[in-house]
Amino acid sequence: AQTVTQSQPEMSVQEAETVTLSCTYDTSESDYYLFWYKQPPSRQMILVIRQEAYKQQNATENRFSVNFQKAAKSFSLKISDSQLGDAAMYFCAHISNFGNEKLTFGTGTRLTIIP
Amino acid sequence: GAVVSQHPSWVICKSGTSVKIECRSLDFQATTMFWYRQFPKQSLMLMATSNEGSKATYEQGVEKDKFLINHASLTLSTLTVTSAHPEDSSFYICSASLRGRGGMTDTQYFGPGTRLTVL
Repeated sequence: AQTVTQSQPEMSVQEAETVTLSCTYDTSESDYYLFWYKQPPSRQMILVIRQEAYKQQNATENRFSVNFQKAAKSFSLKISDSQLGDAAMYFCAHISNFGNEKLTFGTGTRLTIIP
Repeated sequence: GAVVSQHPSWVICKSGTSVKIECRSLDFQATTMFWYRQFPKQSLMLMATSNEGSKATYEQGVEKDKFLINHASLTLSTLTVTSAHPEDSSFYICSASLRGRGGMTDTQYFGPGTRLTVL
């Protein structure tokens, strides 16, 4: 079974600075996908970024980028130029590419932006 | 694109009554829909997986007779909490899978959630 671990329950960053959220996962498969979802106070889950395991290139979406280390089973999220609107719970998630469509979520990291 | 709606956003009901929550994919046809439950300050817990025209697959420990799921079309799934009790009070979230292109796996897009309070 897949597991996803987020070891940082809470993080804080000064506005305009850069912060990195950690995520590790465990899977026996070689083909899978990884996601970062954001849940602001409205509780709407928003897709931030996705990474295909077969791609070596790290995914980027504007100020959001990942550091995907497949051998180490690590998938960290870097947020550059942090903004007040980035304050939220961030969940790392894994999904297999072999027919099981279930997302496995981490426990989340609460990110606070300091003005 | 990939917008999922959920209705109602907030519902209060008396113990013993049933509550229906709707989940709709507004601008795409979903291959699969999912229902989650989220307790305060916790992650999402998958309750069931739903495919159009077939019975839902429930996770271990989820009572299928209490949480009835109907997936009437490729854009609509409903969750009915039957004979609700205070312990069923929670935040319920649905998601819909958008099939990826070129063999890419589906990505789940989430509805805004429904806060259920059972008195």
